[in-house]
Amino acid sequence: ETGVTQTPRHLVMGMTNKKSLKCEQHLGHNAMYWYKQSAKKPLELMFVYSLEERVENNSVPSRFSPECPNSSHLFLHLHTLQPEDSALYLCASSHQSEFSGANVLTFGAGSRLTVL
Amino acid sequence: GQNIDQPTEMTATEGAIVQINCTYQTSGFNGLFWYQQHAGEAPTFLSYNVLDGLEEKGRFSSFLSRSKGYSYLLLKELQMKDSASYLCAVRDSNYQLIWGAGTKLIIKP
Repeated sequence: ETGVTQTPRHLVMGMTNKKSLKCEQHLGHNAMYWYKQSAKKPLELMFVYSLEERVENNSVPSRFSPECPNSSHLFLHLHTLQPEDSALYLCASSHQSEFSGANVLTFGAGSRLTVL
Repeated sequence: GQNIDQPTEMTATEGAIVQINCTYQTSGFNGLFWYQQHAGEAPTFLSYNVLDGLEEKGRFSSFLSRSKGYSYLLLKELQMKDSASYLCAVRDSNYQLIWGAGTKLIIKP
C-alpha cells in the first residue's frame, strides 16, 4: 500500500462505453498525475494537477477527460476509446514546493484497461 | 529530441551483483531517479541523484556522471524478490520527467 489507491484495478470496455478511473491519495500531497504505461514503452505523462488546477495536458485526445475535485481525488473519464488505448493507467501524487528538491512521485498500482 | 536508454532485459543469479545502466540526452538536467516496479504493482522510488558520484542505500547503490550523461543502479546480494522492472527517469531544465522504457531484471536461483 503506497498511500495512492486506484480503482478499478481492471476494466474491460467497448469502444462506445463511458467509464471512469478513480484515484485517491492519503499523503497530503498537492499535485496529482495521470500516466499511461504501455508494454516496453516509457511512461507517458497525460495530465498534471497542481493545487487542483490543471497545469499539463500533453496533447492527449479529448476522449480522455480528467477531473480533480479536490487535492485528494483525481478521475479520468473515458469515452469512445480505441483499442490502442488499452494500457495500464497509473496515478501518482507528489508534494511540489517552490524549491527544487526531489519531488518524488508516489504511484498507485494502476488500472489495467482493455478496449475491445 | 530527449532520450533515455536502458537495456530491455537482464538476467542475473541469486546472490550475485548486477549493474543496470542508463544513458540520457536531455535538455538540461535537474536530477535522475530510479524506480522499481514489480509486475502488477506500483512503481516505487529507489534513489535520486543530482550530483556526481555514488549514493548507497543498503544493497542498492546509484551512480551519476553528468558529464557523460550516464547513471547506473547497482544491486548487490541479489534476492529473488529483486525480480522487477527498473525505471530510469531524468528531470530536464523545465522540470519535466523524461522516462526510459525500463529494464526487466530476472533473477535465477
